[in-house]
Amino acid sequence: DTAVSQTPKYLVTQMGNDKSIKCEQNLGHDTMYWYKQDSKKFLKIMFSYNNKELIINETVPNRFSPKSPDKAHLNLHINSLELGDSAVYFCASSRDSLFYGYTFGSGTRLTVV
Amino acid sequence: SQQGEEDPQALSIQEGENATMNCSYKTSINNLQWYRQNSGRGLVHLILIRSNEREKHSGRLRVTLDTSKKSSSLLITASRAADTASYFCATDEGNAGKSTFGDGTTLTVKP
Repeated sequence: DTAVSQTPKYLVTQMGNDKSIKCEQNLGHDTMYWYKQDSKKFLKIMFSYNNKELIINETVPNRFSPKSPDKAHLNLHINSLELGDSAVYFCASSRDSLFYGYTFGSGTRLTVV
Repeated sequence: SQQGEEDPQALSIQEGENATMNCSYKTSINNLQWYRQNSGRGLVHLILIRSNEREKHSGRLRVTLDTSKKSSSLLITASRAADTASYFCATDEGNAGKSTFGDGTTLTVKP
C-alpha cells in the first residue's frame, strides 16, 4: 500500500556506469518530482513532470534523464556516473488542485565508487 | 541561494520539553510546509500553512506564519524520544509548482 515507492533502496556502482532508479505513485497525483539530498541533508529539486510532461528541469547535467511513461511513473536514468553523483535521490508526488504538500518516497541511496 | 533558512541547526532537549524551530525565507510565498525526516528515511509532510493563515495546529504541532517578517515557527509540545528527527521547512513561491527546502533542524529528544 506504499503511496510513493522507489527502487532500488540502495545502489552501489562504479564510476562511468549507467544506472536507473524507478518511482511509482498510487495516489492519483498529477505531478511527480525528483529531489537530490546531499551529505549535508540539503534538498534540491532536479525535475518535475505533470501528466507526463516535463515542467521543471533545474540545472542538472545532461547525464541525468528523467522519463515518465505515464502519470503514475517517473524514472531517473543516469549516464556515466561520477563520484559527485553520490547522494540520496527522492521521488515525490503532489496533486495539482489545492496543493497540500509532497508525498515522498523512501529514497535511493546512490554510492559511486 | 537557499530560500528557507532554519534556526537552530541542531536542538537537543529532554523528553517532555517543548521544541521550537524557526524558518526564515526571502521572497513572497503561497504557502509554507513543514516536513519531518527520520534518519535514513524519506520526508513526511507534517503541516502546510497558507499565506493568508497565521497559525495552524495538528496534534502536538503548532505552526505560525508571519509574512511581514517572512518567518515561520514549528512548535512541538511535550516532546517524545520518537520526535527525534530532522525537520525541514519548504516554501512554495507559486512559480512552476516547486517548493524550496530549508537546511533543516536536527532535533534530538533525550529520554
